Amino acid sequence: EVQLVESGGGLVQPGGSLRLSCAASGFTFSSYAMSWVRQAPGKGLEWVSAISGSGGSTYYADSVKGRFTISRDNSKNTLYLQMNSLRAEDTAVYYCAKDLTGAHCSGGSCLFDYWGQGTLVTVSS
Amino acid sequence: EIVLTQSPATLSLSPGERATLSCRASQSVSSYLAWYQQKPGQAPRLLIYDASNRATGIPARFSGSGSGTDFTLTISSLEPEDFAVYYCQQRSKRVTFGPGTKVDIK
Repeated sequence: EVQLVESGGGLVQPGGSLRLSCAASGFTFSSYAMSWVRQAPGKGLEWVSAISGSGGSTYYADSVKGRFTISRDNSKNTLYLQMNSLRAEDTAVYYCAKDLTGAHCSGGSCLFDYWGQGTLVTVSS
Repeated sequence: EIVLTQSPATLSLSPGERATLSCRASQSVSSYLAWYQQKPGQAPRLLIYDASNRATGIPARFSGSGSGTDFTLTISSLEPEDFAVYYCQQRSKRVTFGPGTKVDIK
């Protein structure tokens, strides 16, 4: 059974940093691209970032480029999102999601068949 | 960026009725259009991908159609568990989602 479990969310001040983790199980982690998708309270879904199965290719939404860094450790079956220079508008539930199609979603053109339960990030003073 | 527009914003129907949800893209996405269902407090669930393919375990009452810029999600006969928010998503270029259609109980 595929499982994705996020952790690392919490309350952080504007300008601060946070690192999210997503522990994966039930599939061959290195064979699939992974993404982070966020949802602000009461709002819709926004794709944030994606990474290829090998970790060699990464993609970012314009809203987070230069502030967020996606990475993965295939030996630990874990996906990460390092978030720096956080802003109030980054407040959201952050989901990790597995790509349906395989190790690559070129240019960030991904498709999500499994999602974690999400972790809440609140940016506020 | 490809902008997706969904209509209507809210659809009020009774169990057993047919639901028809629309998604329109600002430019052609070929068939690279997916539909997700989200219930309160839960993660989204993939229903349909590549316009018309049901994801694993999705009941046959859910069907998708369309290509290019106009797409439709149809729920043939609403079950109580189908009342939720539905999002479309394109992967022709960098992922974008539509704003969602809420299907609520009339």
